[in-house]
Amino acid sequence: ETGVTQTPRHLVMGMTNKKSLKCEQHLGHNAMYWYKQSAKKPLELMFVYNFKEQTENNSVPSRFSPECPNSSHLFLHLHTLQPEDSALYLCASSQEGLAADTQYFGPGTRLTVL
Amino acid sequence: SQKIEQNSEALNIQEGKTATLTCNYTNYSPAYLQWYRQDPGRGPVFLLLIRENEKEKRKERLKVTFDTTLKQSLFHITASQPADSATYLCALDMNSGGYQKVTFGIGTKLQVIP
Repeated sequence: ETGVTQTPRHLVMGMTNKKSLKCEQHLGHNAMYWYKQSAKKPLELMFVYNFKEQTENNSVPSRFSPECPNSSHLFLHLHTLQPEDSALYLCASSQEGLAADTQYFGPGTRLTVL
Repeated sequence: SQKIEQNSEALNIQEGKTATLTCNYTNYSPAYLQWYRQDPGRGPVFLLLIRENEKEKRKERLKVTFDTTLKQSLFHITASQPADSATYLCALDMNSGGYQKVTFGIGTKLQVIP
């Protein structure tokens, strides 16, 4: 498989559930990103990892917990979410995490919180 | 406050015409500006990058201009086709603490009418 993959593609969860989103990149990149895309709003950067180290946490609520065990994998652990957290969650990767890098996006996970 | 504005939510044009999309920003100083295409339910796909010292960049039917004095980028698609129908995102690409930080606009939805 090539590019950036995300699983699951769709997820419906209750506010008391715990779930995880998975992202895998097959591009040999060293930087990975989580974005949130809500209707009528621009992509919002959530977390950035460079060489497995978290370098950005964009004031994201603690009910979202990222994990980057290696340069190819990124997880977003979810617990006690709110209905307003329903959105498309996009993972991306880039070569070195430096300005001018192209970001390669996965297809996203459509999350619905009931 | 920092703001990125893309000219309109939706733009309808006739097939064969040139589509022009606008991206204006305030209180940013990007070193680069990127344009992405996003189809419904999918992640954005990179199209073009232009540097702050470049006035214009071309790729096939696409042309991007970047005016750092006006704080504006224009994105042109010549000889537009129905397959060009998508949402186009402008993204400011900056260096933040030694790493890349990309801030996206909300996008312009382009509809090319046959």
